Amino acid sequence: GENVGLHLPTLSVQEGDNSIINCAYSNSASDYFIWYKQESGKGPQFIIDIRSNMDKRQGQRVTVLLNKTVKHLSLQIAATQPGDSAVYFCAENAGSDYKLSFGAGTTVTVRA
Amino acid sequence: DTAVSQTPKYLVTQMGNDKSIKCEQNLGHDTMYWYKQDSKKFLKIMFSYNNKELIINETVPNRFSPKSPDKAHLNLHINSLELGDSAVYFCASSRGSRSYNEQFFGPGTRLTVL
Repeated sequence: GENVGLHLPTLSVQEGDNSIINCAYSNSASDYFIWYKQESGKGPQFIIDIRSNMDKRQGQRVTVLLNKTVKHLSLQIAATQPGDSAVYFCAENAGSDYKLSFGAGTTVTVRA
Repeated sequence: DTAVSQTPKYLVTQMGNDKSIKCEQNLGHDTMYWYKQDSKKFLKIMFSYNNKELIINETVPNRFSPKSPDKAHLNLHINSLELGDSAVYFCASSRGSRSYNEQFFGPGTRLTVL
């Protein structure tokens, strides 16, 4: 499953499929980006980050892609599991040394 | 062995009251934050303290006053509560104040103002 375009608030994906969550950022000065996962009733949890001198970074079952030309960030989750159901946020430092700006979240629902 | 803890988890109060939310971290981090998450899930930084000193103070009404008695604690006091203050408030901490330091979030405090 994939949310295409600027931002879609929800994504429904079949268990076992790959998920792609997209995020458009606005600040050209941003040089650090993070993806957070927030499960229901909990605080956000760090998933993976990437600096602007890279265009791809891989973690365990997750990959973050950064396209600075079009100011686009994506999170790919391989073999999506029920435990991946959550709200996912992208965040950027927006040129700040000290704070993060969070995007609107995408709610991912995994269908059994 | 909770890393970042907040109390209370739920807070229901009347307009005009004054209330406090407490946060503690046992990670030995130098920097702590308060965020507000509204009903649409938008998450916005309010304050940040590094070694008990205020380093981020976003455009927040001065009814909100953070207090950091020591590095491990950052409390949020809210005076004259308004309906629009209803939200989930998250505390977070990080090893350093730079934005590339991973932030660890608490479980949140859901504030409802009636």
